[in-house]
Amino acid sequence: GAVVSQHPSRVICKSGTSVKIECRSLDFQATTMFWYRQFPKQSLMLMATSNEGSKATYEQGVEKDKFLINHASLTLSTLTVTSAHPEDSSFYICSAREPTKSYGYTFGSGTRLTVV
Amino acid sequence: GENVEQHPSTLSVQEGDSAVIKCTYSDSASNYFPWYKQELGKRPQLIIDIRSNVGEKKDQRIAVTLNKTAKHFSLHITETQPEDSAVYFCAASTTGNQFYFGTGTSLTVIP
Repeated sequence: GAVVSQHPSRVICKSGTSVKIECRSLDFQATTMFWYRQFPKQSLMLMATSNEGSKATYEQGVEKDKFLINHASLTLSTLTVTSAHPEDSSFYICSAREPTKSYGYTFGSGTRLTVV
Repeated sequence: GENVEQHPSTLSVQEGDSAVIKCTYSDSASNYFPWYKQELGKRPQLIIDIRSNVGEKKDQRIAVTLNKTAKHFSLHITETQPEDSAVYFCAASTTGNQFYFGTGTSLTVIP
C-alpha cells in the first residue's frame, strides 16, 4: 500500500528557533497533502492543505506566517514552525491521498515537537 | 465548514462485550466517513470506512452504520478484546478533500 514517510519523529528545540518537518510520499505522487496538529488527549485538527506548486490553504485561526508550508514537488511537503514557542509543542501529522483513489488517504508517522 | 461531534469521550467495557461509538456531522456534502484507531504516540490507522451510498458495512468484529438523513454514523465493535483498547476517531470528508475529525473516544476493554 501507499507509504508516507514523516521526519523527524521527535524534535526538541529552543524557544524562538524554527523547526522543519518533512512529509514524503514514497511510492506515489501526491498533489495534495494535509497537515494536522494534535494536542495531548485531543483530536486531530486540520491546519492546512498543501498543494503542489501553489500556496497552501490554511484553516481559520492558523497563522500562515508562523506555519510555513512548502510543497515544491509531487512527493514532498514541508511544514516549518517558525519562532517556536512552548505552546507550539504538539504532535504534527501529515497525510496524503493517492491520486488514483478517491478515498486512499495515508498518514505519516507523526512528529512530536517539544519547545523548551 | 464541517463540524463532527463524537460520543462518548470515554468508554469502558468488559472483554467480550460490545462497544458503540457515535458521531454526527453537519455538512450534507460529506460523503466519506472513515474510522481511525490511534494508539498512544502513533499514527491513526484506518479500521473501517463507509461511503454515502451505503448504509452499513461490516468487517469481522467491526461494523459501521450510516444514516444520511439524520447525519450520523456509528462504529460497532463486537466481542471486544484488550487489544481493542485505544482512542478511536471518526471523520467526515468530501471526496478527495481534507478530513474533519471527531473529538475521539478513549476505549478501554477490561480483561
